[in-house]
Amino acid sequence: AQKITQTQPGMFVQEKEAVTLDCTYDTSDPSYGLFWYKQPSSGEMIFLIYQGSYDQQNATEGRYSLNFQKARKSANLVISASQLGDSAMYFCAMRDQISGFQKLVFGTGTRLLVSP
Amino acid sequence: DTAVSQTPKYLVTQMGNDKSIKCEQNLGHDTMYWYKQDSKKFLKIMFSYNNKELIINETVPNRFSPKSPDKAHLNLHINSLELGDSAVYFCASSPRVGRGETQYFGPGTRLLVL
Repeated sequence: AQKITQTQPGMFVQEKEAVTLDCTYDTSDPSYGLFWYKQPSSGEMIFLIYQGSYDQQNATEGRYSLNFQKARKSANLVISASQLGDSAMYFCAMRDQISGFQKLVFGTGTRLLVSP
Repeated sequence: DTAVSQTPKYLVTQMGNDKSIKCEQNLGHDTMYWYKQDSKKFLKIMFSYNNKELIINETVPNRFSPKSPDKAHLNLHINSLELGDSAVYFCASSPRVGRGETQYFGPGTRLLVL
């Protein structure tokens, strides 16, 4: 079974600094996808970034980038130039294939607090 | 023009009652999902439908019955509600192919069983 581990229950960062949120995964499937979602205090789940296992380059989406290290089975999210609005829960997730259809397996999340 | 919508947003009810949560997506996606987020914020898949057909049922009690009248809608009916059903329920949808089949989530329904 696939597993996602987020070892940081909480992280603090000052505004305008960069922060890295850790995510490690375990899978025996050679083809997989990794996702990061943001959940602000309002509760919705917002898709941030996707990395495919066969993608040659690390994914980037604006201030978000994914530090994908396949050999270490890690997919850390890097947020550059943190903003107050980045304060939220962040979830790492992996696509788990069942008979050609996918479900997402989530980590336990990291709560990020951005201070002025 | 919300992509994935859920109603109601909040649901407070007594133990033993039956309730439904509705979900609609206007993204043209083929696959829809229900996830449950518990009090510790842990998210877990409950069901998945592809073109109105059930494809994933993650050992959810029979009291939970999803229904998909068409591929844009996936409703969740819960019978005989129990205290442990209190959680946030998220609907999501994804395309069959493309961009890792990224799942887009609805705003969530906060269910409180008293």
